[in-house]
Amino acid sequence: EAGVAQSPRYKIIEKRQSVAFWCNPISGHATLYWYQQILGQGPKLLIQFQNNGVVDDSQLPKDRFSAERLKGVDSTLKIQPAKLEDSAVYLCASSLVGQEYSYEQYFGPGTRLTVT
Amino acid sequence: GQQLNQSPQSMFIQEGEDVSMNCTSSSIFNTWLWYKQDPGEGPVLLIALYKAGELTSNGRLTAQFGITRKDSFLNISASIPSDVGIYFCAGQGDGSGAGSYQLTFGKGTKLSVIP
Repeated sequence: EAGVAQSPRYKIIEKRQSVAFWCNPISGHATLYWYQQILGQGPKLLIQFQNNGVVDDSQLPKDRFSAERLKGVDSTLKIQPAKLEDSAVYLCASSLVGQEYSYEQYFGPGTRLTVT
Repeated sequence: GQQLNQSPQSMFIQEGEDVSMNCTSSSIFNTWLWYKQDPGEGPVLLIALYKAGELTSNGRLTAQFGITRKDSFLNISASIPSDVGIYFCAGQGDGSGAGSYQLTFGKGTKLSVIP
């Protein structure tokens, strides 16, 4: 079974530029998550989708971050404009079901973003 | 929001030694999970715990869900070099309140194994 795919693996941009990350979850997984992991910290949830609907985006900085999952499969996360403090690894995860059964999350390799 | 205190932050051990790490929370969790993250990779699920008092093993790994539902422990027996990495605990809330089904992660325990 193929795992969660993410691209690109690395991205370096200047502040105020925009950037987009792509994620393809495990086939059949209805729930998709985007996490931000700052160096030395655990992952922090940014947004959770169930199929193509947003379940939880309470920690997404909506003034600069946006995400979509139009067809309920793959997803993109965008940052516009980027700030220095956005430098982090952006992890995508997926699971079969959401809400109270979201524990079995499978993570992709992440995209390491550096904002200079 | 919910916070997890994970300790120790880092540890250096000799190959063959046993390892213990733990997580504590001020909030009750319904599920505790332990993940391992290698450099440049995403976290990989090691063990999931669903009931207070539950003790679960996965090879040389053993984890326990605390009776109070506010803590969990992970033990690794007879460590080997490939155990090197960062171990994260994560708790899932009971659904009361906005966002409480989210996974909350600890800051990780960095394990180094000396051959």
